[in-house]
Amino acid sequence: QKEVEQNSGPLSVPEGAIASLNCTYSDRGSQSFFWYRQYSGKSPELIMSIYSNGDKEDGRFTAQLNKASQYVSLLIRDSQPSDSATYLCAVIEGYSTLTFGKGTMLLVSP
Amino acid sequence: KAGVTQTPRYLIKTRGQQVTLSCSPISGHRSVSWYQQTPGQGLQFLFEYFSETQRNKGNFPGRFSGRQFSNSRSEMNVSTLELGDSALYLCASSLGLAGVGYEQYFGPGTRLTVT
Repeated sequence: QKEVEQNSGPLSVPEGAIASLNCTYSDRGSQSFFWYRQYSGKSPELIMSIYSNGDKEDGRFTAQLNKASQYVSLLIRDSQPSDSATYLCAVIEGYSTLTFGKGTMLLVSP
Repeated sequence: KAGVTQTPRYLIKTRGQQVTLSCSPISGHRSVSWYQQTPGQGLQFLFEYFSETQRNKGNFPGRFSGRQFSNSRSEMNVSTLELGDSALYLCASSLGLAGVGYEQYFGPGTRLTVT
């Protein structure tokens, strides 16, 4: 059973802090990784994709991938209350389909 | 560029009925995937269509089916609705097959309630 695991949270951080969201996956052959943000009652919105080991930065967001440890993370710098949402990690396993974790709820307090 | 559109946005059906949901992908995107999202199970993959052919299928019963038209628009159908089919149905489009690594962009979803 291929799995993508995330801590359900909620992860609570104060405004201006760094939020760190983590995800582990079971398929060692996975090659493509994505982070989505989903506000309550809305559909998932793509934040970024990452395909190679290391860091990828886009504005306040940094995705980190470590294939040896089967671990992908998302850092949000200078967190804002508007960042409060559920963050979904998604992994393409077996060059087949996108498998989603159940998401981590992030709460940023003013 | 317009995003992914889904119609209808909300539906209420009775057990035993069938329903058809529609999805129009982003212009130029050839792949359409469908997902079911429930609070308990999260986002689960239903199927993916590319060039009018089903390329991948998730672990759902045969009551769930779909198709894709030559303009890449897609429909999914659920027959003999059950209470457990109540969910948010999401369509996502991508330039190419999702399994190759193309980014998927989601539509707003159709909220289906079965009573």
